[in-house]
Amino acid sequence: GAVVSQHPSWVICKSGTSVKIECRSLDFQATTMFWYRQFPKQSLMLMATSNEGSKATYEQGVEKDKFLINHASLTLSTLTVTSAHPEDSSFYICSARYGQGWGNEQFFGPGTRLTVL
Amino acid sequence: DAKTTQPPSMDCAEGRAANLPCNHSTISGNEYVYWYRQIHSQGPQYIIHGLKNNETNEMASLIITEDRKSSTLILPHATLRDTAVYYCIVSSGGGADGLTFGKGTHLIIQP
Repeated sequence: GAVVSQHPSWVICKSGTSVKIECRSLDFQATTMFWYRQFPKQSLMLMATSNEGSKATYEQGVEKDKFLINHASLTLSTLTVTSAHPEDSSFYICSARYGQGWGNEQFFGPGTRLTVL
Repeated sequence: DAKTTQPPSMDCAEGRAANLPCNHSTISGNEYVYWYRQIHSQGPQYIIHGLKNNETNEMASLIITEDRKSSTLILPHATLRDTAVYYCIVSSGGGADGLTFGKGTHLIIQP
């Protein structure tokens, strides 16, 4: 399958600081990327859909000013958690849509574990 | 997207076939069935997907009933490394929409 990477794999930061997470599709171009988060013992929850060259679409309840998403190229999307607080501690996972045809799969990155102190 | 129902957990002996059921009785004509799995503390791994026909790849087989209201994921020779949470997801976005993850099935492969 296609490969998606994330960086960093884990990060610890102080409350009030901002953290940037990168998501890269390594061997394919992705016009659409997605960001999810997963709290302990829960399932993945979609946060936003990111299309290259346009503004991200956020799911209901996700603050767009707090979770800044930039999809500047066909292989890179970034998620910046601004003014992070302990309740933002979570496992953040991106995925990239493979191809543009109907019924294509998504490939997921390995995830980034964020801990806010 | 149609809702799916999966058993919360299953056991399977190593070397045997693991058959994971999924009910999606409200699936509509343009919705695909996707299967992913997540090993603890890792990102989900794509397994297989299909629309109407049965599908097979190097990882698994997907059997979709004729009325498309249920499907079964088959891991032909389960190994300990197949222990994971398996998610059955129905999506109408054709891949352009984010996926809605349920609670999945925790498959435990016993030695």
